[in-house]
Amino acid sequence: ETGVTQSPTHLIKTRGQQVTLRCSSQSGHNTVSWYQQALGQGPQFIFQYYREEENGRGNFPPRFSGLQFPNYSSELNVNALELDDSALYLCASSPRPGRGDGYTFGSGTRLTVV
Amino acid sequence: EDQVTQSPEALRLQEGESSSLNCSYTVSGLRGLFWYRQDPGKGPEFLFTLYSAGEEKEKERLKATLTKKESFLHITAPKPEDSATYLCAVQTPSGGGADGLTFGKGTHLIIQP
Repeated sequence: ETGVTQSPTHLIKTRGQQVTLRCSSQSGHNTVSWYQQALGQGPQFIFQYYREEENGRGNFPPRFSGLQFPNYSSELNVNALELDDSALYLCASSPRPGRGDGYTFGSGTRLTVV
Repeated sequence: EDQVTQSPEALRLQEGESSSLNCSYTVSGLRGLFWYRQDPGKGPEFLFTLYSAGEEKEKERLKATLTKKESFLHITAPKPEDSATYLCAVQTPSGGGADGLTFGKGTHLIIQP
């Protein structure tokens, strides 16, 4: 059984650019959630995808968008990057929505915006 | 707005020295409280779920308890490998989605040999 895989592991982008982060969910999991974790902070909920539809969203602007594919993998897209977007982006998959104890987190993508 | 506050921010203990980490919360309806462990450069690893006041869960040297306003993570006779950041999170009906979790900032625990 494979866990959650995220790519790339590290990324450096320039302010104003766009970025795409990728996540492969754990086998048997159909729900993917994305979190942003700034240095020294706890993760903050960005949004969740279930069966290829956005299933809930935290307090993030529309320039944060996502996709989920038929194989349940997911992408997080961030447009018009700002310096404050520098953070660890975590993907978590779960067997279904509504069960926080079913989360399996990936190791994250470290994004640095310069 | 849901709030989760963890204390202390950092804690340094000697090996074998027991202690407790605190997670206090202010929420509009608690569906679940979760404890995670996070090692440097890694994603959070699930430890416990607590659903109602009075509930307790144990795993090796860790024990989590829950009241109506706070949760404690008790660490008994810790070892250096218990060093990590411990995160508390709550799940509420207003959590921004089906189960958007609200996390605290974490407690950075260091166990010295």
